[in-house]
Amino acid sequence: NAGVTQTPKFQVLKTGQSMTLQCAQDMNHEYMSWYRQDPGMGLRLIHYSVGAGITDQGEVPNGYNVSRSTTEDFPLRLLSAAPSQTSVYFCASSYSAGEVYNEQFFGPGTRLTVL
Amino acid sequence: SQQGEEDPQALSIQEGENATMNCSYKTSINNLQWYRQNSGRGLVHLILIRSNEREKHSGRLRVTLDTSKKSSSLLITASRAADTASYFCATGKTSMKTSYDKVIFGPGTSLSVIP
Repeated sequence: NAGVTQTPKFQVLKTGQSMTLQCAQDMNHEYMSWYRQDPGMGLRLIHYSVGAGITDQGEVPNGYNVSRSTTEDFPLRLLSAAPSQTSVYFCASSYSAGEVYNEQFFGPGTRLTVL
Repeated sequence: SQQGEEDPQALSIQEGENATMNCSYKTSINNLQWYRQNSGRGLVHLILIRSNEREKHSGRLRVTLDTSKKSSSLLITASRAADTASYFCATGKTSMKTSYDKVIFGPGTSLSVIP
């Protein structure tokens, strides 16, 4: 199993550009989520999904869109990049959306810089 | 505002000593988890404790949960240099939209274990 994979590893954007961060998992996990981590801080939840077709907002959803058309993939779209979105983005997945199996497996992260 | 807050923000100890980190949260939870992050990498799940449990052990890790005080502690016994990392607590809070848990992270404790 590859686990949780994220592409790209690094990205530089100009203000106003759009892009999609890719996240895929091969563990047949129901639950997937996106977090951002700013220097010296914890992770903040952007959006999450409890299954194909079901998404919900997290703590900091503005400026980001998600959709979940398959179990495996959960892309994060930046609509119009802003310098405030400079961060490291982590994707995570867990087996079940239910309480018992909430251990999350994390991808290696995408380091995004917006100029 | 974040659900969980770790204390202290930073901790420096000698190898062989015990390290204790605390996490306080604001609203009722279904479970609480602890994760470790080595510098610049994704998070790794350490332990999950449910709201009806008071203590849990895993190897050199001991986690306690006091729901009346809305707090948890993580104890690492006989610390090693390899334990140097950031440690985060994460709480599961039920979403009104999906009826599943959002997993929210605190800002973390940076632990340095000096050989």
